[in-house]
Amino acid sequence: QQQVKQSPQSLIVQKGGISIINCAYENTAFDYFPWYQQFPGKGPALLIAIRPDVSEKKEGRFTISFNKSAKQFSLHIMDSQPGDSATYFCAASRNSGGSNYKLTFGKGTLLTVNP
Amino acid sequence: GAGVSQSPSNKVTEKGKDVELRCDPISGHTALYWYRQSLGQGLEFLIYFQGNSAPDKSGLPSDRFSAERTGGSVSTLTIQRTQQEDSAVYLCASSLQGLAQHFGDGTRLSIL
Repeated sequence: QQQVKQSPQSLIVQKGGISIINCAYENTAFDYFPWYQQFPGKGPALLIAIRPDVSEKKEGRFTISFNKSAKQFSLHIMDSQPGDSATYFCAASRNSGGSNYKLTFGKGTLLTVNP
Repeated sequence: GAGVSQSPSNKVTEKGKDVELRCDPISGHTALYWYRQSLGQGLEFLIYFQGNSAPDKSGLPSDRFSAERTGGSVSTLTIQRTQQEDSAVYLCASSLQGLAQHFGDGTRLSIL
């Protein structure tokens, strides 16, 4: 059972364009939704995260949009740059006791930004 | 260093051997997670440690996998009698209070 579904698997965008990656989740108990960026040979790096009490969060060129009723959230990268070319993972978690927020990840989206 | 440190960065071993992977979390981070990243299964949770609390071992795939965290800091993930399906990147993450998890660059494990 895939609890977090991510699409598309790959995405090609021109420099300066908007990149949009979508995720849908099953478990309504999830209450923390981060996005991670991963470059080849490196570990995932936390980009931005949202809790379900807000519908949108913006940090620089990165925005998360969250739709609680549809159980969907998305990452928007404005003014995409070649340096943004990486694999992006959405994730979801809930408190599983103490400070345990073990993450359930989507399968990832390989973003290529052409110059 | 300021980030999560993992060693070795690469490990090649023969099927049936035991391996130990090490994680040094960010100083002061009390929560520590292990994940596995493979082509087939993506990123999967393995185990969680927090202070002196009992670990959450619910993600360990078999009893060949074990982990410990000594003194609330360094953690070691041990895989006994390795199998080819254990080939993956093993990632460690630490967090101040569980939410914002910061990952190391992982150990790339290859089983021949």
